[in-house]
Amino acid sequence: AQSVTQLDSHVSVSEGTPVLLRCNYSSSYSPSLFWYVQHPNKGLQLLLKYTSAATLVKGINGFEAEFKKSETSFHLTKPSAHMSDAAEYFCVVSEGNTGNQFYFGTGTSLTVIP
Amino acid sequence: DSGVTQTPKHLITATGQRVTLRCSPRSGDLSVYWYQQSLDQGLQFLIQYYNGEERAKGNILERFSAQQFPDLHSELNLSSLELGDSALYFCASSVTGLGETQYFGPGTRLLVL
Repeated sequence: AQSVTQLDSHVSVSEGTPVLLRCNYSSSYSPSLFWYVQHPNKGLQLLLKYTSAATLVKGINGFEAEFKKSETSFHLTKPSAHMSDAAEYFCVVSEGNTGNQFYFGTGTSLTVIP
Repeated sequence: DSGVTQTPKHLITATGQRVTLRCSPRSGDLSVYWYQQSLDQGLQFLIQYYNGEERAKGNILERFSAQQFPDLHSELNLSSLELGDSALYFCASSVTGLGETQYFGPGTRLLVL
């Protein structure tokens, strides 16, 4: 069975400091993993995805994530937070090409302090 | 802009009523998904269609139904509405529906009074 745990419901950082949003997953298959961002009153936008190529995945807006199979983790990072990064972030696992459902984490709300 | 469109953007209705939410997928995408996002339940998968056929079902209530038409647009029908159905309803689309990237629409915000 597939599941996702986002370890922090809220993260607060100062502008210009690094961002770390943590995600652990459980999957019976070779998973595909995604990070989506949701700005207030907006839809979900894809930040990046992992599909068994490189373990370090670069996404939009300076975000990246590293797939660590031994730790079943897919943490999202950014070297320097910007005010516009304040949003809700969702980690998602799917069964890859053996399945079709997305399993969403509960989300992490990122606050950026000026 | 993801290329997925949803109408209407906002909907206010009364308990017991029925509403229809509409979604047009990205050009070339054959699969459509519906999600419900509420404060207490988070983001929940409701149902998926692929090329007109139901492919997967999630936590969709019996009062809710959906279909995907030959032109690939989809409608989500919510009936006998309750206060607890107030939520943001998202549609997403993908090419094959086999676990690849889903592109989300802007959502329909439903308020049941």
